[in-house]
Amino acid sequence: NAGVMQNPRHLVRRRGQEARLRCSPMKGHSHVYWYRQLPEEGLKFMVYLQKENIIDESGMPKERFSAEFPKEGPSILRIQQVVRGDSAAYFCASSPGLAGGTYEQYFGPGTRLTVT
Amino acid sequence: DAKTTQPPSMDCAEGRAANLPCNHSTISGNEYVYWYRQIHSQGPQYIIHGLKNNETNEMASLIITEDRKSSTLILPHATLRDTAVYYCIVRGNNAGNMLTFGGGTRLMVKP
Repeated sequence: NAGVMQNPRHLVRRRGQEARLRCSPMKGHSHVYWYRQLPEEGLKFMVYLQKENIIDESGMPKERFSAEFPKEGPSILRIQQVVRGDSAAYFCASSPGLAGGTYEQYFGPGTRLTVT
Repeated sequence: DAKTTQPPSMDCAEGRAANLPCNHSTISGNEYVYWYRQIHSQGPQYIIHGLKNNETNEMASLIITEDRKSSTLILPHATLRDTAVYYCIVRGNNAGNMLTFGGGTRLMVKP
């Protein structure tokens, strides 16, 4: 069973460009979470999605950031008009949607975004 | 989610048991204790979780005190590859509960 997959693993963007980060959850998982880790800092929750629904986006910056998890295909984290402060590692996690389960989250390898 | 307190760093000799403590004195009755680790800059790796009983899997053991105010993660035979930052996280049993990462414990396994 393949783990959580993220691509690209490394992404370089110039200031003002758009960044698109993709996450494919583990097979059978219907919950996706995005976290950001700024240099020398801990991971911070950004957004929690289920198929076609944003459930909790309390950790998302108010502007330029958006996320989706369509019925078909991977979850996408989109950052418009990137700035140097967006440089970070972005991790995706998934968990199963089993009633009565404990919903442990499994993380992907991350996408390292560098804004020049 | 309740807050946890961990020592910032620990050393352990290769082959010995690593015992990582965590205090979570404000944990509520339906909250679980989760442990994750992050090796260098890789994605966090799930290790183990528990509610009130001690748990063991192929990676580690989790000992939770009877009052549930603290716990210890035990790596029975630490190897150099266990060098990582270990995070103790208290979390409700709901898919909507995100993981709140604190500073963790930086475990250094030495030869």
